[in-house]
Amino acid sequence: DTGVSQDPRHKITKRGQNVTFRCDPISEHNRLYWYRQTLGQGPEFLTYFQNEAQLEKSRLLSDRFSAERPKGSFSTLEIQRTEQGDSAMYLCASSLVSNEQFFGPGTRLTVL
Amino acid sequence: RKEVEQDPGPFNVPEGATVAFNCTYSNSASQSFFWYRQDCRKEPKLLMSVYSSGNEDGRFTAQLNRASQYISLLIRDSKLSDSATYLCVARGGSQGNLIFGKGTKLSVKP
Repeated sequence: DTGVSQDPRHKITKRGQNVTFRCDPISEHNRLYWYRQTLGQGPEFLTYFQNEAQLEKSRLLSDRFSAERPKGSFSTLEIQRTEQGDSAMYLCASSLVSNEQFFGPGTRLTVL
Repeated sequence: RKEVEQDPGPFNVPEGATVAFNCTYSNSASQSFFWYRQDCRKEPKLLMSVYSSGNEDGRFTAQLNRASQYISLLIRDSKLSDSATYLCVARGGSQGNLIFGKGTKLSVKP
């Protein structure tokens, strides 16, 4: 257990539904990253926060994806109007600035 | 071309074997490099950092060649518990985001 938690661990949804995932980072970590991992691939960077500021979001896969970190603690990742191609593992990681990133266990999304 | 490319694998080796993984990266601005280990259906975990001077941790040795943009990982005396996917990772820029290769799957057999 790295100290980063994610909820839910698994989510099955129907195409077209909205889903929201939560990440709780290690408490003193000011950076929080979201990645997506599909089968047979390495994780792919989506977005990151330093405290509550979202400093990079151009890598979010489409405008259906959005993320927030309202108080600089936990973060949420929302996918609107899910598509089958969104099925993947969504990983959250936290760190102190440019130190080691610690990953949470991930949320596995299946879109039917 | 992907920013980080690895041997596709899989590598199937007997216990006690020495196995080497190779990786190349395309962005010369990348500042830091790592090997992560990922067990099946688990999150990636840092195995070790990679330096030009080399980095050794027990049976594991990692090496970076900045001139050829090449990274390697050597595992000596492999154990059953080394079976996992090994991910080559670069980090660059002020964002600090990690750029992963596809990973190489290692299976160590008795």
